[in-house]
Amino acid sequence: IAGITQAPTSQILAAGRRMTLRCTQDMRHNAMYWYRQDLGLGLRLIHYSNTAGTTGKGEVPDGYSVSRANTDDFPLTLASAVPSQTSVYFCASSGDPGATDTQYFGPGTRLTVL
Amino acid sequence: GQNIDQPTEMTATEGAIVQINCTYQTSGFNGLFWYQQHAGEAPTFLSYNVLDGLEEKGRFSSFLSRSKGYSYLLLKELQMKDSASYLCAVCDSNYQLIWGAGTKLIIKP
Repeated sequence: IAGITQAPTSQILAAGRRMTLRCTQDMRHNAMYWYRQDLGLGLRLIHYSNTAGTTGKGEVPDGYSVSRANTDDFPLTLASAVPSQTSVYFCASSGDPGATDTQYFGPGTRLTVL
Repeated sequence: GQNIDQPTEMTATEGAIVQINCTYQTSGFNGLFWYQQHAGEAPTFLSYNVLDGLEEKGRFSSFLSRSKGYSYLLLKELQMKDSASYLCAVCDSNYQLIWGAGTKLIIKP
């Protein structure tokens, strides 16, 4: 089934630990995005990639890193997790970069940092 | 700064019509999106407006006025499955999406 998958579905993590959230799409989309969603706030862009091999910083990139080695995968890494990174993380993709194209979202990862 | 405003919560009756408003102040404008998000699920695309006017798609319509920085989503013949949050997002001059906090719509029988 075409779409975006994310793993894990949920995770509880001790502060200071390193964590990688995985995201894979099979739609051959050029652009991919990582957002966090917190109660009472809109989705906030963490990092994005317009095409394989390139990445860019979004609104809230501090404490996060990404890589885009190929078209399908866009992992998000928290080098040393802190409680303020407790959130729901959504990966998304779109055919064309530039955010005027429809974005398709993965099911999300619920992360709790204690 | 950039800002998207939507009501936090609205309640409507099954079978009725509801209008969800969105006002925005952004650096540039390259289109406005509406997404639907059921509790615990991912956002899904509803509509995209880049020119002024009304776009109709089945029971859902979306309106845009760029001069007023205003959009609304109109839902007709409400069904219980329409209970969800509705997210307004604007594509700014950097071609990044700025998201509103969403409007939680509660449908009552």
